[in-house]
Amino acid sequence: QSVLTQPPSASGTPGQRVTISCSGSSSNIGRNGVSWYQQLPGAAPKLLVDSNDQRPSGVRDRFSGSKSGTSASLAISGLQSEDEADYYCAAWDDSLNGNWVFGGGTKLTVL
Amino acid sequence: QVQLQESGPGLVKPSETLSLRCSVSGDPIKGYYWSWIRQPPGKGLEWIGYIHYSGSTKYNPSLKSRVTMSVDTSKNQFSLQLTSVSAADSAVYYCARLTGIGWYFDLWGRGTLISVSS
Repeated sequence: QSVLTQPPSASGTPGQRVTISCSGSSSNIGRNGVSWYQQLPGAAPKLLVDSNDQRPSGVRDRFSGSKSGTSASLAISGLQSEDEADYYCAAWDDSLNGNWVFGGGTKLTVL
Repeated sequence: QVQLQESGPGLVKPSETLSLRCSVSGDPIKGYYWSWIRQPPGKGLEWIGYIHYSGSTKYNPSLKSRVTMSVDTSKNQFSLQLTSVSAADSAVYYCARLTGIGWYFDLWGRGTLISVSS
């Protein structure tokens, strides 16, 4: 069971806006930034949104991250078929002398 | 363009030690933290640990007793050793760069599949 909780699946039709949630606690999201990673089928994860809610160069502005309290969200607007992938949130956890924790991942299906 | 490339044996026998290496090209290894992350088939991501180019380390508490990381700045490489492996250690192992400012994994290798079987 993952320390950060994500819905196992999400879906939307092309052009829609979809949000993926990531729930944590005061020792991780409550104190530290959340980063988001996209994993296309058969590929390695790729940084999508960094812990300051900024997108790396090359990532479309259709992707945005936000955080409130002990939860974070990834929003994808103007959904496209190429967005079909697994999405993971991650945060540093201050418990147990420090530890990186990930969400269990959300599989996004574009209908 | 910075690239990370994992290398390893592919197959390891139960109870033996898994050794992996990550070669970094396009940028000096100095100035960053470097991490290992694994993903069992069909499952999510698990952080194994990180090493700073200075040699300081931090490991996942659940794996700490079996993990050792090292860095070779002259070769621009860092390594992972995982002892007493079992089938539960079968996974794709990724190396990744961890930014010291901002604190996130900004670059990932393509991963190497490790199977533990006799």
